[in-house]
Amino acid sequence: DGGITQSPKYLFRKEGQNVTLSCEQNLNHDAMYWYRQDPGQGLRLIYYSQIVNDFQKGDIAEGYSVSREKKESFPLTVTSAQKNPTAFYLCASSIVATGLQPQHFGDGTRLSIL
Amino acid sequence: AQKITQTQPGMFVQEKEAVTLDCTYDTSDQSYGLFWYKQPSSGEMIFLIYQGSYDEQNATEGRYSLNFQKARKSANLVISASQLGDSAMYFCAMRASSGGSNYKLTFGKGTLLTVNP
Repeated sequence: DGGITQSPKYLFRKEGQNVTLSCEQNLNHDAMYWYRQDPGQGLRLIYYSQIVNDFQKGDIAEGYSVSREKKESFPLTVTSAQKNPTAFYLCASSIVATGLQPQHFGDGTRLSIL
Repeated sequence: AQKITQTQPGMFVQEKEAVTLDCTYDTSDQSYGLFWYKQPSSGEMIFLIYQGSYDEQNATEGRYSLNFQKARKSANLVISASQLGDSAMYFCAMRASSGGSNYKLTFGKGTLLTVNP
């Protein structure tokens, strides 16, 4: 089945620690995205990537980093500089970054502070 | 800038009845897309339906239909014959096709739908 796989489902971070969230897609989509969701809120864009080896900051990129070395993979690192990382993180992909195609989402990763 | 407003924090509906979830939007773009997503308590975001700004007919997908009123800038989701499995958070979202933010979805704050047996 084609889809987007996020792992782990739950993640705990200690103070001062970097953690990496995985996102893999087998939809052959060019564009991939990372969103953050806080309780009772909609989604906010952290980073997006239109093609391999290219990525751009979204609305709330501070304290996060990404890489796009392969078309299928777009990992997100939550660095120690992100002071309030507790949230639900959703990865998405679309055929291309521009245009009006829908974005399809993974099942998400819940990140908490220990 | 784009903005999505969902004025109903929560809605209740009896099983097998229809329900309308409200969504209004604001944009200066002429070409844009409107989307509805369902988020169950498990967290995944499920794409339901899409309406393009130039589409003359309202979109339908099974029990979901989108009541698109362009002049009023509204894009309400109608769910017919509600089922218990429809209980979830529903998000309206927009994507513009021009300008500097055409890559992202702008989301509303969502409406929590509860279907009662």
